[in-house]
Amino acid sequence: QSVLTQPPSVSGSPGQRVTISCTGSSSNIGAGYAVHWYQQLPGAAPKLLIYGNSNRPSGVPDRFSGSKSGTSASLAITGLLAEDEADYYCQSYDISLSGWVFGGGTKLTVL
Amino acid sequence: EVQLVESGGGLVQPGGSLRLSCGASGFTFSTYTMNWVRQAPGKGLEWVSYISSTSSTIHYADSVKGRFTISRDNAKNSLFLQMNSLRDEDTAVYYCARDGKSCTSTSCYDYWGQGTLVTVSS
Repeated sequence: QSVLTQPPSVSGSPGQRVTISCTGSSSNIGAGYAVHWYQQLPGAAPKLLIYGNSNRPSGVPDRFSGSKSGTSASLAITGLLAEDEADYYCQSYDISLSGWVFGGGTKLTVL
Repeated sequence: EVQLVESGGGLVQPGGSLRLSCGASGFTFSTYTMNWVRQAPGKGLEWVSYISSTSSTIHYADSVKGRFTISRDNAKNSLFLQMNSLRDEDTAVYYCARDGKSCTSTSCYDYWGQGTLVTVSS
């Protein structure tokens, strides 16, 4: 059971908008710790997608956006492309565990 | 170009030991905090260990505390993970990951290696 909860799967058609939620608690997201998002394509290493709740590293398309509110965060992907099919993970810090934690991951299927 | 290349993975029996290495290039290694993150087959990501740029601060996940030791050699641009008393549940791909300087209050990992597979089995 992951400290950060994500839906196991989401799906959408090309061009559509999808969102992936990441639900934490008062010991991680709710304590003010930033949330980061990673994309992992099949057979590849994870790639940083969003950092500091809503910032995109250089080279990440603006179709990807992040937000945070209370004890939760969300990743939104607009204008869905076939190449977006991947696993997505949220990550933050948990003060009770004194360590960094990931969500369980969400598999995005582009229909 | 930033590159992180892990090595040292392989098959080991339960209770055995293994030492992973991560060679870094393309950036000033000595100024960056580094981490190990693992992924069991078909499972999600799990942070394993953290080491600051000067090795002054080190953290471990509870699941490996007392069994794994992280270290680095800034002169050789290398990161290490000594894994002792290995268990079946330590089977995973182990990634070294650089801590991004833009991540401020919470570490994030802006570059990852390709990973090295550790299999613990008799």
